[in-house]
Amino acid sequence: EVQLVESGGGLVQPGGSLRLSCAASGFSFSRYWMSWVRQAPGKGLEWVANIKEDGSEKNYVDSVKGRFTISRDNAKNSLDLQMNSLRAEDAAVYYCASGWLPFDHWGQGALVIVSS
Amino acid sequence: QSALTQPASVSGSPGQSITISCTGTSSDVGGYNLVSWYQQHPGKAPKLMIYEDIRRPSGISNRFSGSKSYNTASLTISGLQAEDESVYFCCSYAGRNTFMFGGGTKLTVL
Repeated sequence: EVQLVESGGGLVQPGGSLRLSCAASGFSFSRYWMSWVRQAPGKGLEWVANIKEDGSEKNYVDSVKGRFTISRDNAKNSLDLQMNSLRAEDAAVYYCASGWLPFDHWGQGALVIVSS
Repeated sequence: QSALTQPASVSGSPGQSITISCTGTSSDVGGYNLVSWYQQHPGKAPKLMIYEDIRRPSGISNRFSGSKSYNTASLTISGLQAEDESVYFCCSYAGRNTFMFGGGTKLTVL
C-alpha cells in the first residue's frame, strides 16, 4: 500500500523558516517525480514545487521561487520542502504527492500557520 | 499564473448526471492532453479520478468520465450517488514543468 506521511508543520512567525518532510513507502520512490501541493484554508489547491526522480531537476511556482527549496533522499525514501522567509499567504495545508501528472497518491497533509 | 476556471458549485439528484467544466487556455488545457481530476472530501487528501483528459485509474467507477474540447475539459458523473458529494478539482500541465489547478467545484447531491 502506498503511504505518504508529511511532518514538520506548525506555527511560524512571518519571515521565519520551516522544513516539511514526507516519508514515502509502498512504491519505488526513486522512480517517481514528487511534488508539494498546498491548500490555504477554505481555498483551492496550488502546485508549489516538484523534483525529478534523481533530484536533477526542480521546479517552483513563481510565488515561492527563491524562498522554498525542494529536495529528496532516495536512500531514505523521503522528500523535503525547506521554506524560508515565510509570509502570511504561505499558510496552508501542504501535501506531498507522487507522480509528474497525474499526482496519483497524496499524503494527509501538514498544516503550516504563519502568524505573529 | 491564474487558476483554471471551474464553476463554484453544481448539484444533481441521485441517479442523474452532472458535468463540471474546467476552462483554461491554449497554453495549458488546450495545449496538452494532460488534464486530471481530483475528488476531495472534507478534511481528506485529494484522490485521483481522471488523468490524461479521459483515462480512469484502476478502481475508479466507470460512472466518472472525462472529456475535452479546445480549452475546456469536463468531468461527467453519471448515476449520481450520495457518496459523490465532494469538491472536485481539475489540474492541467501549464508548460515548463509547471502545473495549474482549478478553483474547485462543490458537488451537492440533492
